This record gives sequence, C-alpha cells and structure tokens, in this order.
Amino acid sequence: EIVLTQSPGTLSLSPGERATLSCRASQSVSSSYLAWYQQKPGQAPRLLIYGASSRATGIPDRFSGSGSGTDFTLTISRLEPEDFAVYYCQQYGSSPQWTFGQGTKVEIK
Amino acid sequence: EVQLVESGGGLVQPGGSLRLSCAASGFTFSSYWMSWVRQAPGKGLEWVANIKQDGSEKYYVDSVKGRFTISRDNAKNSLYLQMNSLRAEDTAVYYCARDSVYYYYYMDVWGKGTTVTVSS
Repeated sequence: EIVLTQSPGTLSLSPGERATLSCRASQSVSSSYLAWYQQKPGQAPRLLIYGASSRATGIPDRFSGSGSGTDFTLTISRLEPEDFAVYYCQQYGSSPQWTFGQGTKVEIK
Repeated sequence: EVQLVESGGGLVQPGGSLRLSCAASGFTFSSYWMSWVRQAPGKGLEWVANIKQDGSEKYYVDSVKGRFTISRDNAKNSLYLQMNSLRAEDTAVYYCARDSVYYYYYMDVWGKGTTVTVSS
C-alpha cells in the first residue's frame, strides 16, 4: 500500500502570499495517478489538479502542481481569501484503489 | 448540470444496517466507474469502495470488506452502498464521486454527502 504524507499539517499565511504544499509518497507514483483536491468546511472536495500538473476545469492559474516519482507539490502563487481551506493529495493504486494524504490546512495568519 | 445527490444517511445503532443511495444526473452514468468516499468528523478523506461501469468489478478498503456492498443500477442512474454490521468508527459523511480512470486518474464530480452516525 502506498502511503501519502502531506506537509506541513497547517500553513499559516496572509492573503497575497505564496503557499507551497508537499505530498510525499512511500513508493513511486505515476504522475498520471496523482491529483489534488480543495475542501472548504461543510463542503465536498473539489478537484484542483490532475496528472500532477494539469488544472481542472475552472481552476484559476494561481494554482499549479508539479513533481514526479515520490515528491509532488501544490503551489498557490498568491493566496486569495477563498483559498483558505484544506488540501488533499490523492493517488490511484491497486489495493486500496485510491489513497489520500492526511491533508494540509491553509489558514489565515 | 452534472450532479450527484446522496441520501439514506441517519442514526443507527452499532451492529445495525443502512443503505445509502446516490442519484446521478447530467452525464452518462453507465460510462463511469463510481466510488464512495467517507470523512469521519474532523478527519481526512478515506476511499471506501468503487464499482466498474457494468458492476462486474468491485473493490473495497480493508476495513469494510465483508460488511459493505457497493452496487449500481444503470437504468436508474443510481449508486448504492449497503452497510451492515456498522461500528462507531463508520460514523462519517459519505460522499459518492465519479471516477475518471482513463489516461489520468482522479475524481472529478462529488456529491454533497450524507451523514451516517453509528451510536447507541
């Protein structure tokens, strides 16, 4: 089973700042199988990034994804007030089929 | 509009059963793998189960194997999760999600969720 470890657990930043979120896999993951989601309180997750670096439909270009192998990064270039949320990475595997990281909370400093 | 709407959650005693439903609209339901994902209070996301387009393949997370059964009715554009022998640790919001598993793999459509509480 591939384990995804996200860091930091919480990121305290101000609007306009840059956010860098890390997702590290316990084994190599195909970039095609790596996605990022945003979740706000009381809401369902929303797909942000798929294929490690492709933005989903309607996602602003301040969101970008990068990485390969075991190390992946989600970057928010300039935080907007609506970006304060919890972010999850996800990978597709064999057993279990899908695994998520534990999440990174981006909070207002 | 592409939409998933879950229903069937509620309060159930430990050892009890519950059947969740997910109604799909706005897309060709029978063309997609579908998943159930849950989130315990204050915790992260956990994939629970998924099912192939024609129902011929089903996969489960180890913690629910033998207790939960995923199924679908393509004629009714509906996904189901039969949950038996429920435990306190099954308490969560349960989301249904559409799997995209072609060249890229992700879940691109999510319902708003239905809450399951297992408590005496």
